[in-house]
Amino acid sequence: DAGITQSPRHKVTETGTPVTLRCHQTENHRYMYWYRQDPGHGLRLIHYSYGVKDTDKGEVSDGYSVSRSKTEDFLLTLESATSSQTSVYFCAISPGQGNEKLFFGSGTQLSVL
Amino acid sequence: DAKTTQPTSMDCAEGRAANLPCNHSTISGNEYVYWYRQIHSQGPQYIIHGLKNNETNEMASLIITEDRKSSTLILPHATLRDTAVYYCIVRPGLRTTSGTYKYIFGTGTRLKVLA
Repeated sequence: DAGITQSPRHKVTETGTPVTLRCHQTENHRYMYWYRQDPGHGLRLIHYSYGVKDTDKGEVSDGYSVSRSKTEDFLLTLESATSSQTSVYFCAISPGQGNEKLFFGSGTQLSVL
Repeated sequence: DAKTTQPTSMDCAEGRAANLPCNHSTISGNEYVYWYRQIHSQGPQYIIHGLKNNETNEMASLIITEDRKSSTLILPHATLRDTAVYYCIVRPGLRTTSGTYKYIFGTGTRLKVLA
């Protein structure tokens, strides 16, 4: 999967608990993205990063924060998880600079009870 | 940004060509059409993209109509492993201020290849 590792692969947590998902890449790509996937909604962009410490919001960013302290790592944090954040989360990377293809990780299944 | 419309589901016989249509009637002149697919619960996988000319690679062919309002992804000899959800996406014409594009995925077409 193009050198992308998401962790954990599965997580069950309780409402109100903070949760952090990690995306790690070995491709040295500039752009990194977090998507969530829910039945009937397809993939929706949460946040993305265009460099170390450079991030921006996607279409469904409320309740999520991100950080990128190194090129290879992009963290997604749910400060206080809610049941509506139960979803499959995908990380994607893109080299940019004329190559705009997205390469996706294997996903994290998050269940908030 | 242009939106896309795809059929919810399609069936195709194994060994036959699978033709997946996509409507993008509001597409602008500098917006590309991208196709991805998602097999079972894996992450989506890039297939092909194009602007106005037909494109072919080792996975598929992309036919874009002359007015660019629709396109068709063709899998020439579908196999059972091609069973997946196929997403047609229009890449926005303008980059964000950070230099990237915000890809908007719809719900795609669920293709089932039948033995």
